[in-house]
Amino acid sequence: EVQLVESGGGLVQPGGSLRLSCAASGFSFSSYEMNWVRQAPGKGLEWVSYISSTGTTIWYADSVKGRFTISRDNAKNSLYLQMSSLRAEDTADYYCAVRGEFAIWGQGTMVTVSS
Amino acid sequence: QLVLTQSPSASASLGASVKLTCTLSSGHITYAIAWHQQQPEKGPRYLMKINTDGSHTKGDGIPDRFSGSSSGAERYLTISSLQSEDEADYYCQTWGSGIRVFGGGTKLTVL
Repeated sequence: EVQLVESGGGLVQPGGSLRLSCAASGFSFSSYEMNWVRQAPGKGLEWVSYISSTGTTIWYADSVKGRFTISRDNAKNSLYLQMSSLRAEDTADYYCAVRGEFAIWGQGTMVTVSS
Repeated sequence: QLVLTQSPSASASLGASVKLTCTLSSGHITYAIAWHQQQPEKGPRYLMKINTDGSHTKGDGIPDRFSGSSSGAERYLTISSLQSEDEADYYCQTWGSGIRVFGGGTKLTVL
């Protein structure tokens, strides 16, 4: 079964850090580019970051540039998002998704930034 | 600037058909797009990719009631024989070098 499972979300104070993980199974993870997408409560979807299949090309949305770092471990079929200097506006469900057209989505992990 | 425009809301009756529209910004009308469905309290689900020529590639398990088409800068999602579970938010999305963009979403109400 093709599957993406996010984990690592939780409650963190403003200025804090958190690392999200996305475990892939059922497909050749190392062959595909990956993305992180988020959705703030009651809002629409927002693309956060992209990483190529080999990890050599990385892009970020302006809203997270300089604070978030995307990475992957193809040997472990895993994608990561290291989030630092977190703000209240980073509160959202975070999803990992495959390829440019986001053909596969995970179920999401909730991040709450609050004191 | 790459922008996708969607109407905020749409409605149609049970059993009827509805056509949702996604408009690409000027200068980007050759881009392919994807449609995603998000039912209440659930994560997004990939429906299909639509190319400039209107050809489309659906995700696994997406019913035949869902189809896509294209005309100029507009990309369409048509849902026929509407069912109650089709009541959801529908997002179009596109991608290019250095960027991925979502439309604002259309909330579909099934009457």
